[in-house]
Amino acid sequence: EDQVTQSPEALRLQEGESSSLNCSYTVSGLRGLFWYRQDPGKGPEFLFTLYSAGEEKEKERLKATLTKKESFLHITAPKPEDSATYLCAVQAYNYGQNFVFGPGTRLSVLP
Amino acid sequence: ETGVTQTPRHLVMGMTNKKSLKCEQHLGHNAMYWYKQSAKKPLELMFVYNFKEQTENNSVPSRFSPECPNSSHLFLHLHTLQPEDSALYLCASSRGLGNTGELFFGEGSRLTVL
Repeated sequence: EDQVTQSPEALRLQEGESSSLNCSYTVSGLRGLFWYRQDPGKGPEFLFTLYSAGEEKEKERLKATLTKKESFLHITAPKPEDSATYLCAVQAYNYGQNFVFGPGTRLSVLP
Repeated sequence: ETGVTQTPRHLVMGMTNKKSLKCEQHLGHNAMYWYKQSAKKPLELMFVYNFKEQTENNSVPSRFSPECPNSSHLFLHLHTLQPEDSALYLCASSRGLGNTGELFFGEGSRLTVL
């Protein structure tokens, strides 16, 4: 069964303490893997798209990487404003236009 | 306005009421989506429209009725809902069929069913 899991469920970091979030997927025919940031009570905000194993994307303190089974979102020297829930989603060739989302990782960065 | 806008942002309704959620996208996209986000659960796809034609219905109960008059507007008509339908309803758009592209979301409509 195709599925997307994320770990940890929640993560608390001190400001400046780097860490990584994991997104594991089991799908056939990955078309794309997407990372989103969601603040409480708001819609998800697009961060990155990764299409093939070995690909990396960076934006400010965030870096996303992709292997054949998982993706990592690395957060370098986080700041309190990075606190949010981070969602990953996959789109597969046999999903039509469905994007299957993981449950998210709730990140808190303490000053 | 830019992006994807949803109204209302908050809605409280009784189980016998009829209400509608509205979504408008200003991105020139061809596909629009309704997703449901409940507490402690991943986003669930409800409906997909391409060029105002429904292309996916993810086994959604008939008390939710979508309408897409054109590629820029999407509605979700609600009637005789249940308390378990309380959730954040998210509208999104993308470039559409044949394009691998990210979803752009609105801010969501927080629905509470009493």
